[in-house]
Amino acid sequence: DTGVSQDPRHKITKRGQNVTFRCDPISEHNRLYWYRQTLGQGPEFLTYFQNEAQLEKSRLLSDRFSAERPKGSFSTLEIQRTEQGDSAMYLCASSVTSGDWVNTGELFFGEGSRLTVL
Amino acid sequence: GENVEQHPSTLSVQEGDSAVIKCTYSDSASNYFPWYKQELGKGSQLIIDIRSNVGEKKDQRIAVTLNKTAKHFSLHITETQPEDSAVYFCAASTRSGSGNTGKLIFGQGTTLQVKP
Repeated sequence: DTGVSQDPRHKITKRGQNVTFRCDPISEHNRLYWYRQTLGQGPEFLTYFQNEAQLEKSRLLSDRFSAERPKGSFSTLEIQRTEQGDSAMYLCASSVTSGDWVNTGELFFGEGSRLTVL
Repeated sequence: GENVEQHPSTLSVQEGDSAVIKCTYSDSASNYFPWYKQELGKGSQLIIDIRSNVGEKKDQRIAVTLNKTAKHFSLHITETQPEDSAVYFCAASTRSGSGNTGKLIFGQGTTLQVKP
């Protein structure tokens, strides 16, 4: 399978614990996005990378959240001191774009990592 | 900030009927409008998209229309089949700085049920 893969698929943790999610994008995709989706809602943008550079972070991404893409390939999203309100599906997507402003590449989504904070 | 509203939240149709889902967006600078299909246990998949330089696009049973003046766009599925049952999301891209980030703002989703 050469799609976007996310790990773990499901994580149950206690409030206050740290969790880390990993995303492996489609190879050669230079852009990688993180979204969060809660039940009955659409995905909400968290952050995105172009290669290894994190170019934008949403206000939703509090100080407890950190994302990295150290070599411009896989990415990790860490949540420190989890809260019950962090319970959601965390989605990763990747795309390839030339950077031309009119060229918006299709986003390919992974299946998501579901976080449950008890 | 950019906002996308999607209606209806649920839609039930008989197999063979048409389904229409509508979205409105707030940022007049948005120029790319994709539709994604989300099925349980699968990653969301792009089913059709439209850019702001065209008013309509069709791909077999699926079509999308865009009204830039009114800032709304719609998904039309004809001859619906049970396998069309899924959650559908509209989205709009927002630009940041000098380029197009590809960042998408999504609607709330529509759960489509096609009854055999």
